[in-house]
Amino acid sequence: TQLLEQSPQFLSIQEGENLTVYCNSSSVFSSLQWYRQEPGEGPVLLVTVVTGGEVKKLKRLTFQFGDARKDSSLHITAAQPGDTGLYLCAGALDSNYQLIWGAGTKLIIKP
Amino acid sequence: NAGVTQTPKFQVLKTGQSMTLQCAQDMNHNSMYWYRQDPGMGLRLIYYSASEGTTDKGEVPNGYNVSRLNKREFSLRLESAAPSQTSVYFCASTLGQIQETQYFGPGTRLLVL
Repeated sequence: TQLLEQSPQFLSIQEGENLTVYCNSSSVFSSLQWYRQEPGEGPVLLVTVVTGGEVKKLKRLTFQFGDARKDSSLHITAAQPGDTGLYLCAGALDSNYQLIWGAGTKLIIKP
Repeated sequence: NAGVTQTPKFQVLKTGQSMTLQCAQDMNHNSMYWYRQDPGMGLRLIYYSASEGTTDKGEVPNGYNVSRLNKREFSLRLESAAPSQTSVYFCASTLGQIQETQYFGPGTRLLVL
């Protein structure tokens, strides 16, 4: 059974603070996606990382793919209330037609 | 463009009742998916259709059936609903393979009593 563990499960911080969310597995992924889901809506893709060691930035969000392509992190600088949501990671396996989803990190940014 | 649409948005069923969840996409995508989302468990794939005319089981297919009606539409049917099927159901689509960008609908919230 392939697992993709996200941590923390829940995070509540004040506006302006920094935070990091982690996504870890024992499986090697060909690519890894990060999605954000707001209440009552479906997930929306933020970024896809493909190369081991890759770093992508999306405004205040920084995504990193581990060198071995087994883990990834999402760092948010100076969090804002608009960053509130459920953050999901999903890893793609080469071996079969499969996308492994993490359980998500629920992030609340308090003004 | 509406993207991916789902109907209904919310449904309450009694145990043993049947219903069909509808999904349509207007992006000319080849592949479509049905997921369920439960607290603390992330998204679990129920069924998928890699192309028009084909369907395959995902991780949790028991108790469900699907129909890829045409390239645009992919429906999910619960023949005899059970309380364990209480969940939020999402339809998604990709242009090609599952690891490409997934476009999700707004979800259907199902409560089975």
